[in-house]
Amino acid sequence: DAGVIQSPRHEVTEMGQEVTLRCKPISGHDYLFWYRQTMMRGLELLIYFNNNVPIDDSGMPEDRFSAKMPNASFSTLKIQPSEPRDSAVYFCASSPYRDRSGELFFGEGSRLTVL
Amino acid sequence: GDSVTQMEGPVTLSEEAFLTINCTYTATGYPSLFWYVQYPGEGLQLLLKATKADDKGSNKGFEATYRKETTSFHLEKGSVQVSDSAVYFCALNSNYQLIWGAGTKLIIKP
Repeated sequence: DAGVIQSPRHEVTEMGQEVTLRCKPISGHDYLFWYRQTMMRGLELLIYFNNNVPIDDSGMPEDRFSAKMPNASFSTLKIQPSEPRDSAVYFCASSPYRDRSGELFFGEGSRLTVL
Repeated sequence: GDSVTQMEGPVTLSEEAFLTINCTYTATGYPSLFWYVQYPGEGLQLLLKATKADDKGSNKGFEATYRKETTSFHLEKGSVQVSDSAVYFCALNSNYQLIWGAGTKLIIKP
């Protein structure tokens, strides 16, 4: 089975540009999570979806960040405009259930560098 | 609120050494506890878990026991290999969210 697929793996852009990160969760998983990882702040949950509906976006740092899940097999995280402090690795993860199991399946991440 | 505290890294060991990475937690109720591993350039993956007190999770030679009395979930391995070099994250499930430790980088030298 294919795992969680993220694209692009690496993105280098200039400050002020729009960035779109993409995620395809594992088929049949009805929860999807977006995380950001930096050396300074560690792993941060940005937003999660259940059955394509955003449930908790309290981790989204500011209005420049937005996430969508138009269908069960695709999600995007958009940053507009991007800033150097957005440089990080962004992970998408999916899960078949949100009970006490706690098993998330992570993609390989998208490394974003904003110059 | 609920929290997870891990020992700071990096932890550097020689091959075949015994490994302990400490993890303690603060939580209301009885959360499930997890260890995730992140190999270089990859996403996190579940290493092992325990869902109730005194449970022992194990996988790939790693073990951790859910200790309610000491609120701990220390990760151990009897003989580490170079391929175990990675970042290890302790986590707990609280109110349907995963609360993460800061991660501990493990370096194994041949």
